[in-house]
Amino acid sequence: DAGITQSPRHKVTETGTPVTLRCHQTENHRYMYWYRQDPGHGLRLIHYSYGVKDTDKGEVSDGYSVSRSKTEDFLLTLESATSSQTSVYFCAISHTQETQYFGPGTRLLVL
Amino acid sequence: KNEVEQSPQNLTAQEGEFITINCSYSVGISALHWLQQHPGGGIVSLFMLSSGKKKHGRLIATINIQEKHSSLHITASHPRDSAVYICAVEEGGGADGLTFGKGTHLIIQP
Repeated sequence: DAGITQSPRHKVTETGTPVTLRCHQTENHRYMYWYRQDPGHGLRLIHYSYGVKDTDKGEVSDGYSVSRSKTEDFLLTLESATSSQTSVYFCAISHTQETQYFGPGTRLLVL
Repeated sequence: KNEVEQSPQNLTAQEGEFITINCSYSVGISALHWLQQHPGGGIVSLFMLSSGKKKHGRLIATINIQEKHSSLHITASHPRDSAVYICAVEEGGGADGLTFGKGTHLIIQP
């Protein structure tokens, strides 16, 4: 298994509070991704990174920001959480344009 | 935006049956991925292919680039194959992420 972890694994928060999810890899892979998974929509790309300090928006980026100051860490921040951001969040990594390896997921509930 | 459609959405079969899951997409791609998601939620990559056919154990994946279609086959299905199978495509080399189908929920009954 690829060395990829996500923290926290579960979180309950209130509307309007900031939330940061962390993805950490030990594989030194260049590319990192944040996806969200929702019933009826499947997985959708939020943001991705192709190197340190190089990030770009995905399909559903509104309300989210990301940062990558080190190769191994990719942070996803919800500046002011809303109930529509209740979801399961997956981080993924890939070396070059190859297989993506997924983290275990973070379940976020926004009340 | 690539539209990725999977069929069927749900499939229940008996142990030992030959299973086929289909995936079609609307725009040319650089590669197609098949993923497996178990009830516990973890996602595992099964195949990445850009042409032809790949086989791993009882799993076979094929792709027809001209028809924009891929199939995932499971031979001699087993209850442990019960999972959600997800098709995903990448464009332009894939560095900018995947576009996913909504998944096929497969149940294999003993």
